[in-house]
Amino acid sequence: EAGVVQSPRYKIIEKKQPVAFWCNPISGHNTLYWYLQNLGQGPELLIRYENEEAVDDSQLPKDRFSAERLKGVDSTLKIQPAELGDSAVYLCASSARGFNEQYFGPGTRLTVT
Amino acid sequence: GIQVEQSPPDLILQEGANSTLRCNFSDSVNNLQWFHQNPWGQLINLFYIPSGTKQNGRLSATTVATERYSLLYISSSQTTDSGVYFCAVESRYGQNFVFGPGTRLSVLP
Repeated sequence: EAGVVQSPRYKIIEKKQPVAFWCNPISGHNTLYWYLQNLGQGPELLIRYENEEAVDDSQLPKDRFSAERLKGVDSTLKIQPAELGDSAVYLCASSARGFNEQYFGPGTRLTVT
Repeated sequence: GIQVEQSPPDLILQEGANSTLRCNFSDSVNNLQWFHQNPWGQLINLFYIPSGTKQNGRLSATTVATERYSLLYISSSQTTDSGVYFCAVESRYGQNFVFGPGTRLSVLP
């Protein structure tokens, strides 16, 4: 069984540029999560999808961050414009439903210069 | 929101030693999971354990929900156990999933 796939693995951009991350969850998993992980800290939940519906986006900075999960399968997280403080690892995870056992992708390491 | 604390923050062991990692949380939970983040950054789900005890090989976990803590036991540690261990919880009264700050484990050969 394939795991959670994320791309790109690494991204370097200049501040004020846009950036997008892609995630493909484990087949059959209805729930998809995007997390942000700063160096030396635990992941922080940004948004959770149940199928194509965003059921919790209270932690997503909506002025510059957006996400979508069309057709309830893969998902895209976008930042526009990026700021220096957005440098972090962006993790995608999926589970069969709810907050049950979550499986994480390898993450995308973003560096904003 | 719910608060999660983990102890110790750092732990250094010789290969073969046993260890206990602790997770305290401030409110009732629906869900508690333990994760291992290896030195390459990959997060692996170890246990889904909102209550009770589970064992998987050299690892076991116990959650005492009424006293708001969980313990992760690692026996006969190996160098491949090195990394950061996170506890994460879902509050019974909220929809968020909160990670603790982690315990960084180094197992020396």
